[in-house]
Amino acid sequence: DQQVKQNSPSLSVQEGRISILNCDYTNSMFDYFLWYKKYPAEGPTFLISISSIKDKNEDGRFTVFLNKSAKHLSLHIVPSQPGDSAVYFCAASVTGNQFYFGTGTSLTVIP
Amino acid sequence: GAGVSQSPSNKVTEKGKDVELRCDPISGHTALYWYRQSLGQGLEFLIYFQGNSAPDKSGLPSDRFSAERTGGSVSTLTIQRTQQEDSAVYLCASSSFPGGYEQYFGPGTRLTVT
Repeated sequence: DQQVKQNSPSLSVQEGRISILNCDYTNSMFDYFLWYKKYPAEGPTFLISISSIKDKNEDGRFTVFLNKSAKHLSLHIVPSQPGDSAVYFCAASVTGNQFYFGTGTSLTVIP
Repeated sequence: GAGVSQSPSNKVTEKGKDVELRCDPISGHTALYWYRQSLGQGLEFLIYFQGNSAPDKSGLPSDRFSAERTGGSVSTLTIQRTQQEDSAVYLCASSSFPGGYEQYFGPGTRLTVT
């Protein structure tokens, strides 16, 4: 039972444009959400998080939006850079115990 | 400071053999997680240690899998009688939870069962 879903396995974006990565979840008890970035042969690296009491969190070029009613999470990267090319995972948790990860979206930023 | 380290980085083993995978978390992190990522799949939760509490083993796929954490630091994931479907990248992460929910991952151990 996949509680966190990333329905787009891949995304290509031109350098300088906005990248939007989407994530849907089914468990309304999730109260903390995170995005991770993964390069080949490396472990995931934490990018940005958001608590369920917020609907937006911004850190530099990265902004995460949370729509609790739609159980939908998105990560915006603007402007996109070639170094952003990686696999992006969203994750969700109830009070920081077990974390549920999506299957990832592979982002390619074209120079 | 040093991040999460895992060893070995790669392990090839024959079906039926036992393997041990090691994780050294970030010093001071009380929470430690094991995940695995099979080809084309997301990260699958295996087990979670928090301080001195009993571990959450709800993600272990079978009784061939076990893990321990000695002294609240180093953790070992043991897979007995390995099967080909155990082939995956095994990832360890630690966090300072409840100081923070962000997990810091190691580079993973790629296990191949032939």
